[in-house]
Amino acid sequence: EPEVTQTPSHQVTQMGQEVILRCVPISNHLYFYWYRQILGQKVEFLVSFYNNEISEKSEIFDDQFSVERPDGSNFTLKIRSTKLEDSAMYFCASHGQGNQPQHFGDGTRLSIL
Amino acid sequence: QKEVEQNSGPLSVPEGAIASLNCTYSDRGSQSFFWYRQYSGKSPELIMFIYSNGDKEDGRFTAQLNKASQYVSLLIRDSQPSDSATYLCAVIWNRDDKIIFGKGTRLHILP
Repeated sequence: EPEVTQTPSHQVTQMGQEVILRCVPISNHLYFYWYRQILGQKVEFLVSFYNNEISEKSEIFDDQFSVERPDGSNFTLKIRSTKLEDSAMYFCASHGQGNQPQHFGDGTRLSIL
Repeated sequence: QKEVEQNSGPLSVPEGAIASLNCTYSDRGSQSFFWYRQYSGKSPELIMFIYSNGDKEDGRFTAQLNKASQYVSLLIRDSQPSDSATYLCAVIWNRDDKIIFGKGTRLHILP
């Protein structure tokens, strides 16, 4: 069964550094998402992306965040100047047409020191 | 404000019994409802989705939706120890595409 794949599985970065989290959505999917989950808390929406542009973003997704789909397969989340509170699991998700269920990748655990 | 509410648990159920997980949501305009299972340190895994009022069954799982009461539930029959996990209720509202998750209910199946 096709999967959403995310790399790396664990990223450790010094505060203030830039980090790029990578995702390869399922190949025929059109809608892409990033969510994060701080340890012990609920899964929170960050941003949705469709037709090569952001369709919606949450208040968490401030100017330090950006997303890109640089080619036909990758979907990246960049955090420009990381803060301690950015430490969390980051999940990529995708789906096909309409309100089909979103399928999640295994996540990247981001640890900011 | 769109909210999804779940009892955080833990909910302890004997092996072989029926586990009943409940979820309420804040806005009648909502359209699509999902149950995800999340093991500790892992990503959410889709269990069921339901769009219409009534029951939807898939194997040991039954999702129940009551839009008038703004209530969706998940029943797990013949509970197994491997069902022990956090169950996330999730809702997508009309004209939105993002999922709003509840905080999740921790389910513990007692062997």
